[in-house]
Amino acid sequence: QKEVEQDPGPLSVPEGAIVSLNCTYSNSAFQYFMWYRQYSRKGPELLMYTYSSGNKEDGRFTAQVDKSSKYISLFIRDSQPSDSATYLCAMSDPYSSASKIIFGSGTRLSIRP
Amino acid sequence: SQTIHQWPATLVQPVGSPLSLECTVEGTSNPNLYWYRQAAGRGLQLLFYSVGIGQISSEVPQNLSASRPQDRQFILSSKKLLLSDSGFYLCAWTTTGTEDEKLFFGSGTQLSVL
Repeated sequence: QKEVEQDPGPLSVPEGAIVSLNCTYSNSAFQYFMWYRQYSRKGPELLMYTYSSGNKEDGRFTAQVDKSSKYISLFIRDSQPSDSATYLCAMSDPYSSASKIIFGSGTRLSIRP
Repeated sequence: SQTIHQWPATLVQPVGSPLSLECTVEGTSNPNLYWYRQAAGRGLQLLFYSVGIGQISSEVPQNLSASRPQDRQFILSSKKLLLSDSGFYLCAWTTTGTEDEKLFFGSGTQLSVL
């Protein structure tokens, strides 16, 4: 079993829809949770960063962490064509070695105008 | 502010040729540095990380090596490229001495080995 599971998609939704992206994980030691957005042939860009459980909102983006279910989500409201990208979840255990930021495989998202 | 530079953006190399990709970070000191590879449609594979000058840890056995000759410089090398070395290579950094590891990536190098 992978430490982090993420549906690869592709996910296609119409402009203006609410998008829900999800990851599950198996390591209960993870405490920091991140979402990255990656446009084609570009480096991933840190989008959201949360610690432990709860919600964090930034504009049209909301990150949600449920540690009891080992489940994290990213919601995008009023989706725009410019949101079309691959979204990677990532998580880390702050007490492990420097190498332990674990990534999901990414979900390809396409917003149809 | 901190920035990370990675070059070249695109590289086409013949099988058996050497490789050198360079990454530099500005605006921070003593960062942790990372090299990742991303195959088409797949996730990020950590290749190497470094917590200081001359300190390199390898995550997977392969045809590649890494070096850190200066605090903010990280180099990915190969003596003889294989077809399987093709991919998108990303350099990244995090701050040290803090619990929250925010990982920041460079713009990537698309390597095609022909």
